[in-house]
Amino acid sequence: EVQLLESGGGLVQPGESLRLSCAASGFTFSRYAMSWVRQAPGKGLEWVSVIDGSGGSTFYADSVRGRCTISRDNSKNTLYLQMNTLRAEDTAVYYCAKNSDNSRYSAVDYWGQGTLVTVSS
Amino acid sequence: DIVMTQSPDSLGVSLGERATINCKSSQSVLYSSNNKNYLAWYQQKPGQPPKLLIYWASTRESGVPDRFSGSGSGTDFTLTISSLQAEDVAVYYCQQYYSSPFTFGPGTKVDIK
Repeated sequence: EVQLLESGGGLVQPGESLRLSCAASGFTFSRYAMSWVRQAPGKGLEWVSVIDGSGGSTFYADSVRGRCTISRDNSKNTLYLQMNTLRAEDTAVYYCAKNSDNSRYSAVDYWGQGTLVTVSS
Repeated sequence: DIVMTQSPDSLGVSLGERATINCKSSQSVLYSSNNKNYLAWYQQKPGQPPKLLIYWASTRESGVPDRFSGSGSGTDFTLTISSLQAEDVAVYYCQQYYSSPFTFGPGTKVDIK
């Protein structure tokens, strides 16, 4: 059974940094691209970033490019999202998501339960 | 960036009736080399993460009831629920994965009339 368990969310002040983690199990982690998708309170889904299975190729949304870095440790079956210079508009539930194959150009077929990031002074 | 729009914003359907949701992309998401539309549909129930229903515009994910179907090509797509059940009350999103950023539509809320 595929399981994705996010951690690292919390309350931070504007300008601060946070690193989200996602522990994956139930599939061969290195064979799949992985994504982060966020959802502001009461709003729709916003795609954030994707990384291929090897970790060598990434894409970012314009809203986070330059402030966020997606990475993975295939030896630990863990996905990360390093978020810097956080803004109030980054407040959202952040979902870790498994893509359906190794390509970044693929649908997401499993989602974690999400971790809430709140940016507020 | 490819902009995804959905219509209607919300939809009230009687139990057992058909629900139709439209999704339009600002540019084609059909990749000519493999003739695939890079378009997915997701269902999100309150308090839950999204769930994949349809990918490649018309391929139903394993375990998804066959009352859900996807159609369309290029820039215009449709998700159809052939006979609405109470458990189908949710928000439905389309997403293109043809070109980064892999944008979602704004969502369509489906409830019981």
